[in-house]
Amino acid sequence: ETGVTQTPRHLVMGMTNKKSLKCEQHLGHNAMYWYKQSAKKPLELMFVYNFKEQTENNSVPSRFSPECPNSSHLFLHLHTLQPEDSALYLCASSQGINYGYTFGSGTRLTVV
Amino acid sequence: KNEVEQSPQNLTAQEGEFITINCSYSVGISALHWLQQHPGGGIVSLFMLSSGKKKHGRLIATINIQEKHSSLHITASHPRDSAVYICAVLSRLPLQNFGNEKLTFGTGTRLTIIP
Repeated sequence: ETGVTQTPRHLVMGMTNKKSLKCEQHLGHNAMYWYKQSAKKPLELMFVYNFKEQTENNSVPSRFSPECPNSSHLFLHLHTLQPEDSALYLCASSQGINYGYTFGSGTRLTVV
Repeated sequence: KNEVEQSPQNLTAQEGEFITINCSYSVGISALHWLQQHPGGGIVSLFMLSSGKKKHGRLIATINIQEKHSSLHITASHPRDSAVYICAVLSRLPLQNFGNEKLTFGTGTRLTIIP
């Protein structure tokens, strides 16, 4: 365990479903991130939260909706996804620009 | 063209061999990360460096800021080193506030060490 916990580890959902991914860290980090990793592509930054405030939305479709209720928890709400949204979704946290990142184990999402 | 290029994309070697993975980038950076991703998907941070060289056990990372190039070396490689190694560069987003930085990732190098 890295200190960043993601649930669930695997998720299969239909295109009409609504589901949520959860990320939790108790490292005292103030910044949390959602990344998407598709096959044979680099990790893509989706959202950044800094002190619970969203500071970056990297042109992500509205069918992905993040929520950060406090600095330890980060959610990614999913609705009406497309098959091309199937990917590994990784959460990370950091203490600041001069510090390293800690990643979770990811949620492997399959949209059918 | 990706802002971060890694080579090789795939590398297979015998146990005990000296391994080198290269990373070149085209943007100004604050720091460079080397990450390790095992088949389960989780990513572990190996190094963060902004100059010179760092060593941890059998792993060595170097960076040349002028040439915009970094290398990750593994000495006395072992099958448990088999993983995808990812280079990522940290650069600031337009806003200068805390947390407004961006990691740009390479596509990774898949390393397989054969016993």
